[in-house]
Amino acid sequence: DTEVTQTPKHLVMGMTNKKSLKCEQHMGHRAMYWYKQKAKKPPELMFVYSYEKLSINESVPSRFSPECPNSSLLNLHLHALQPEDSALYLCASSQGLASGGILAKNIQYFGAGTRLSVL
Amino acid sequence: SQKIEQNSEALNIQEGKTATLTCNYTNYSPAYLQWYRQDPGRGPVFLLLIRENEKEKRKERLKVTFDTTLKQSLFHITASQPADSATYLCALDGGGSYIPTFGRGTSLIVHP
Repeated sequence: DTEVTQTPKHLVMGMTNKKSLKCEQHMGHRAMYWYKQKAKKPPELMFVYSYEKLSINESVPSRFSPECPNSSLLNLHLHALQPEDSALYLCASSQGLASGGILAKNIQYFGAGTRLSVL
Repeated sequence: SQKIEQNSEALNIQEGKTATLTCNYTNYSPAYLQWYRQDPGRGPVFLLLIRENEKEKRKERLKVTFDTTLKQSLFHITASQPADSATYLCALDGGGSYIPTFGRGTSLIVHP
C-alpha cells in the first residue's frame, strides 16, 4: 500500500472557525510533512515530523498547529485563518529523513490534498 | 539565494513526439534531483531520482539527465501520449536535511 489518505477533500471555513485536516499513511514511514500549494506555485514546506516529533517548522503562523498522534497519523489544526490561507494543503510521508547515504528515504509520497477556502 | 527555475510557459507537443522539460538551478550543490508529476487538484507523484554522480537515469519512456556543471536537469518523455499531459516538478535537496525543495513545475500538454 503506497497511499497517503487526506480528509476532507474540500473544506470551506470562516475566519472564526476551528477545523482540522487529517492525514494517514500505513507504509511504515517515519517522516511526515505538511505542504501548502497555491495555484501555479510549487508546494511550500510547512512542517516536518520525524519519529512523531516536530523536526521542522518553516516559520508558519501559529494559526496553523500540527499534531502527530502516532506514526501513522498527522493532523493540521486550523484556527482564525485569513482568506490568503486559501490553498491546496498537501500531506506527504517518506521513509525517513536521510542524513546522507540512503537518499531514497526522502522520496515524498503525497496525498491528494485538501482544497481549503477561507471566507 | 537558492533558485530552481522551470519554464513557466506550457509545453505543447504532438502525440508520439519526445517532450523535453528543463530544470535549472543556482546556488545549489544538490546531492540529488527528483522529478514528480502533478495532475490538477492532486498531490505530486514521484517519478525518478538521480544522484549527483549519475549522468542519466531511465524508466520506461522516461529519461532524466543531470549536469552539475551546467546546473541543469533535462526530463524526457519519449513517444508522448495525451495521458502524459500534466505538470512536471523538479525537486532538489535543500541541504543538510536532504528534504526536497520543489520548482514551480512546467505544464506539458500532449495533443492527439
